[in-house]
Amino acid sequence: KNQVEQSPQSLIILEGKNCTLQCNYTVSPFSNLRWYKQDTGRGPVSLTIMTFSENTKSNGRYTATLDADTKQSSLHITASQLSDSASYICVVYTGFQKLVFGTGTRLLVSP
Amino acid sequence: DAGVIQSPRHEVTEMGQEVTLRCKPISGHDYLFWYRQTMMRGLELLIYFNNNVPIDDSGMPEDRFSAKMPNASFSTLKIQPSEPRDSAVYFCASSLDRESYTDTQYFGPGTRLTVL
Repeated sequence: KNQVEQSPQSLIILEGKNCTLQCNYTVSPFSNLRWYKQDTGRGPVSLTIMTFSENTKSNGRYTATLDADTKQSSLHITASQLSDSASYICVVYTGFQKLVFGTGTRLLVSP
Repeated sequence: DAGVIQSPRHEVTEMGQEVTLRCKPISGHDYLFWYRQTMMRGLELLIYFNNNVPIDDSGMPEDRFSAKMPNASFSTLKIQPSEPRDSAVYFCASSLDRESYTDTQYFGPGTRLTVL
């Protein structure tokens, strides 16, 4: 069964600190992996996209990594800001328009 | 572009009533998706359309759910009769008709449905 698991479920950090979110997947076939940010009351927005051959992808203060051998991905947030408070969802694409969603990590950045 | 538009943003109804959720995709996008999001199950794909034609409805939970796309700029998701377990946030998303794996789905703001 295709599954995407994320940890931790929730996280509180102080503004300015770094944090890392984890994603483990058992999905086949694998097309690409994305991290989405979902602000409260909004729809998810794509942050990064990585294919099988990519190890790292950055988008500003967000850096995603992918280890296709261990089927793990991480999202590292540097110098966190209050606006980073959101849910972060790991999504694995198994083919065109076929997505498997993780349940997300809820991040709260505290002043 | 205004992005994907959904209405209403919030809906509170009583068990047994009919509920209709509406979506306007981004102009020029040929794919439209309906998702449901709950705390327990996260995001789940219900159905998606390509050029107004339903392609995959295997995620529709049961016959009480139906979706239509009468034209390229409008889609509805209907629940009849509604039940408390249908309470969730329903998202609509759209994407371009491209073969590239990097094609991105753009999500609307969602409709929060509460069935009492």
